[in-house]
Amino acid sequence: NAGVMQNPRHLVRRRGQEARLRCSPMKGHSHVYWYRQLPEEGLKFMVYLQKENIIDESGMPKERFSAEFPKEGPSILRIQQVVRGDSAAYFCASSPDTGERGYTFGSGTRLTVV
Amino acid sequence: AQTVTQSQPEMSVQEAETVTLSCTYDTSESNYYLFWYKQPPSRQMILVIRQEAYKQQNATENRFSVNFQKAAKSFSLKISDSQLGDTAMYFCAFMKRGGANSKLTFGKGITLSVRP
Repeated sequence: NAGVMQNPRHLVRRRGQEARLRCSPMKGHSHVYWYRQLPEEGLKFMVYLQKENIIDESGMPKERFSAEFPKEGPSILRIQQVVRGDSAAYFCASSPDTGERGYTFGSGTRLTVV
Repeated sequence: AQTVTQSQPEMSVQEAETVTLSCTYDTSESNYYLFWYKQPPSRQMILVIRQEAYKQQNATENRFSVNFQKAAKSFSLKISDSQLGDTAMYFCAFMKRGGANSKLTFGKGITLSVRP
């Protein structure tokens, strides 16, 4: 079992470009979560998705950020027109059900905006 | 809304010794879960231990155990026989129980260094 796979591991974007972060959940997991970690901070919840549905996006900024988890393929976190403040580590996690037993996290994507 | 506080930014322990990491939280919920996650330099978040708030018995996982004090809203992690591989950041986290409330609220973390 390959675990939760995130790519790329590192991503550098210039201000104004788009960033696409990918997450393939563990086999058999249909629930996906995205978190953001700023330097010296804990992880902050962004969005919770099941296949083809957004369940909770209360942590997503209202503009420029979007997430999807299509029927086929990985979950995508998309950040349009990136700014320096978007620089952070973005973690994806998955679970087979509601996550109350704890999730399995990926190794994260470190986004740097220059 | 829930908050999780880890007031110690760093701790250090000698290999083979015991160390306790503190965590307090604030919530109006009565049913919830508490977690400790470990983040080594590889950056991956690893689940260390989980506690169900409706269970009075403290959770244990090998060398890791918790002291869960529901009335005091305290959830500390004890690591016995510390090993060099325990060097990492440790995060305390809260999850409300039930329904679609699967999001974790994390504390800011504590950096633990195990000295040889």
